[in-house]
Amino acid sequence: EAEVAQSPRYKITEKSQAVAFWCDPISGHATLYWYRQILGQGPELLVQFQDESVVDDSQLPKDRFSAERLKGVDSTLKIQPAELGDSAMYLCASSPRAISNEKLFFGSGTQLSVL
Amino acid sequence: DQQVKQNSPSLSVQEGRISILNCDYTNSMFDYFLWYKKYPAEGPTFLISISSIKDKNEDGRFTVFLNKSAKHLSLHIVPSQPGDSAVYFCAASVSGSARQLTFGSGTQLTVLP
Repeated sequence: EAEVAQSPRYKITEKSQAVAFWCDPISGHATLYWYRQILGQGPELLVQFQDESVVDDSQLPKDRFSAERLKGVDSTLKIQPAELGDSAMYLCASSPRAISNEKLFFGSGTQLSVL
Repeated sequence: DQQVKQNSPSLSVQEGRISILNCDYTNSMFDYFLWYKKYPAEGPTFLISISSIKDKNEDGRFTVFLNKSAKHLSLHIVPSQPGDSAVYFCAASVSGSARQLTFGSGTQLTVLP
């Protein structure tokens, strides 16, 4: 079964450093999402792409976070500079199209620890 | 402001018994609801969903019930198995909305052998 690939699985960094996460969605999936999950909370949407275009980034802290999906396939999420409060799991998900009755397929996530 | 609430952080049940996980929502525009299961160090996996035009959906041992008037849904697992031990997230969405899913905070289910 096709999967959403994410790397790295774990990342430890010091505050004020830059970090980057990579996601490769299921082949053919036009819609890609980045979610952040803080321990004890549910995933929260950071950014949504439809092909290479950003559909929703209203919850993305744009002073330090950036996301791109240049060719409409894989995507990179960057944090610069990282802060202690950024420690969380960063989840990538994809779906064939952005309609509400369509389930999302999640990757295994990147667990970020900021020291 | 949490639009999707799971008020029980944890639940323990005996193997073979029924597990009931609850979820409440405040946004009356939500019309599609999903349950995801998450094991440690893995991403959430889809379990079951229900549209607001229905009040029940079954898939094997899993049944989701929706009470629109109470803005409440529940997931029933019968019989519960040790492999069901995981965090269960309730999620909701609005048809036609660019933003997909709003998640609850999750319930840790532990099924005791």
